[in-house]
Amino acid sequence: ETGVTQSPTHLIKTRGQQVTLRCSSQSGHNTVSWYQQALGQGPQFIFQYYREEENGRGNFPPRFSGLQFPNYSSELNVNALELDDSALYLCASGQTTGTQYFGPGTRLLVL
Amino acid sequence: AQTVTQSQPEMSVQEAETVTLSCTYDTSENNYYLFWYKQPPSRQMILVIRQEAYKQQNATENRFSVNFQKAAKSFSLKISDSQLGDTAMYFCAFMNYYGGSQGNLIFGKGTKLSVKP
Repeated sequence: ETGVTQSPTHLIKTRGQQVTLRCSSQSGHNTVSWYQQALGQGPQFIFQYYREEENGRGNFPPRFSGLQFPNYSSELNVNALELDDSALYLCASGQTTGTQYFGPGTRLLVL
Repeated sequence: AQTVTQSQPEMSVQEAETVTLSCTYDTSENNYYLFWYKQPPSRQMILVIRQEAYKQQNATENRFSVNFQKAAKSFSLKISDSQLGDTAMYFCAFMNYYGGSQGNLIFGKGTKLSVKP
């Protein structure tokens, strides 16, 4: 167990809807990163938050947005869902020492 | 841009045997971290081992060890005395080190390891 939790575990949405995924970081960690993992692929970096500010972003459109709260919990919001957004979404928390610890993920299915 | 390549999509090993998973990466940076993560069917990504690029000594964690060849940009994982619980997808990952600021992980496509009884 890493101490990183995510909710919900599974989610089904339809194309065009909006979704919010949540993550609670491990105690003492000050960064949170979000990754998208398509079936059979390695995770792809979406963005990272450090001290409530976005601290890096991967090649994802603006309809992917996020927030980090003072208690280091975080949200990933996706607007105007597309079929290709179906994936496992992973949250990872860490400190400046580099290692990131992952949560169990949220499986999103877009119909 | 940094890339990570895992050339073995699938591997299998007999229980108690040793297996080596390969990983190569491409970067022009000098300071970085390398990781192996394990993802069982339960899908939770679990850290197996970590290597800092500035350290010449290869990292070891119990039955897991790495062969880090910085000049060749190679980072292989050796699993000794394989156990059934080692069955999982294994991902090699790279992270730039920005001197106090955490970078993002760049993953390979993974190697599916099956340990057979």
